[in-house]
Amino acid sequence: DAGVIQSPRHEVTEMGQEVTLRCKPISGHNSLFWYRQTMMRGLELLIYFNNNVPIDDSGMPEDRFSAKMPNASFSTLKIQPSEPRDSAVYFCASTRDPYGYTFGSGTRLTVV
Amino acid sequence: QKEVEQNSGPLSVPEGAIASLNCTYSDRVSQSFFWYRQYSGKSPELIMSIYSNGDKEDGRFTAQLNKASQYVSLLIRDSQPSDSATYLCAVGADTGGFKTIFGAGTRLFVKA
Repeated sequence: DAGVIQSPRHEVTEMGQEVTLRCKPISGHNSLFWYRQTMMRGLELLIYFNNNVPIDDSGMPEDRFSAKMPNASFSTLKIQPSEPRDSAVYFCASTRDPYGYTFGSGTRLTVV
Repeated sequence: QKEVEQNSGPLSVPEGAIASLNCTYSDRVSQSFFWYRQYSGKSPELIMSIYSNGDKEDGRFTAQLNKASQYVSLLIRDSQPSDSATYLCAVGADTGGFKTIFGAGTRLFVKA
């Protein structure tokens, strides 16, 4: 099993640009989560999907953030336009049933 | 607001000692509890899960759960320098879709 696969690993972009983060969950997992981690705020849940349907997006900071899960094997998190305060590590995680999560390696986003 | 509270540390223990990490949670209906280990610059990794009151042992790790006191702990016996990491307590929210609330984490240093 390749685990949860995220891309890119690092992203440096200029303020105002669109950023798209990608995630491939573990096959057979039916829930997918997007988290953001910073030193100041720790792990913050942005949005999660169950069976490809968004269940709770209350953690999405503002309308600049959007997420999709078009099928069971792919999800994207998009930031448009990006701002320096969006700089963080973004993690995708997946799970099956009420078990713990498997996290991807994360995308380190820097907005300059 | 459902919360998970941890002492941020750092907790420093000598090699070979027992490290005790503690966590309290606010939602009485929570049914699933997890401990994750996160090395610096890496993603969180699930190390223990516990679902019923009492102790659960896995190698050098013991998770303890007391639902009446809303308290979860992790004991690490014979601590090794390689155990130095941030330990995240996580509690399953009873909302379906397997949403989990994470604590801010406790940094552990094991001195050789």
